[in-house]
Amino acid sequence: SQELEQSPQSLIVQEGKNLTINCTSSKTLYGLYWYKQKYGEGLIFLMMLQKGGEEKSHEKITAKLDEKKQQSSLHITASQPSHAGIYLCGADKGGGADGLTFGKGTHLIIQP
Amino acid sequence: DAMVIQNPRYQVTQFGKPVTLSCSQTLNHNVMYWYQQKSSQAPKLLFHYYDKDFNNEADTPDNFQSRRPNTSFCFLDIRSPGLGDAAMYLCATSSQMATNEKLFFGSGTQLSVL
Repeated sequence: SQELEQSPQSLIVQEGKNLTINCTSSKTLYGLYWYKQKYGEGLIFLMMLQKGGEEKSHEKITAKLDEKKQQSSLHITASQPSHAGIYLCGADKGGGADGLTFGKGTHLIIQP
Repeated sequence: DAMVIQNPRYQVTQFGKPVTLSCSQTLNHNVMYWYQQKSSQAPKLLFHYYDKDFNNEADTPDNFQSRRPNTSFCFLDIRSPGLGDAAMYLCATSSQMATNEKLFFGSGTQLSVL
């Protein structure tokens, strides 16, 4: 079965600083999804990447999928308190309706 | 707004006492999922319904059951909750027509077992 490893497990960043979160898969990724979860709440979709080398941005968050399609990174520029939360990467389990396999998440804390 | 709604947000049950968690959706999606997420762990898929077809994950304990009486509603039944079943339970939906956002999640139900 596919495993997703996220690094770092937790991250404390001063407000205004940039940061990067990584997601490494044990198998080739056919669809990589980034979600954000506030503590005690559900997951909110951020971005989806499919093609090797693909890069997407939304506001100050940029996600990339490497050419070999086994690693993705999430980069936040000029972090703000609203960026605090848990960032999870998810991968297609097998296509179709099989759902997603998730990593354990990266806990991001923004220090004022 | 179309959404996925989970009730209740917090549920407390006693060891061994059956409990039901509910999920409803206004998205008219044909697939509904139940995930279990323990503290600092990855959400783990328990099972999903593709329309009326039930698909159980191989390692989901028999203690967990599900019902989907219609397109809009899906229930998670825990027949005899143990202390190890305390977790956040997340419901999600999906449509085969979706091309970008794969899963739409509810806010979750935090289950405590006393």
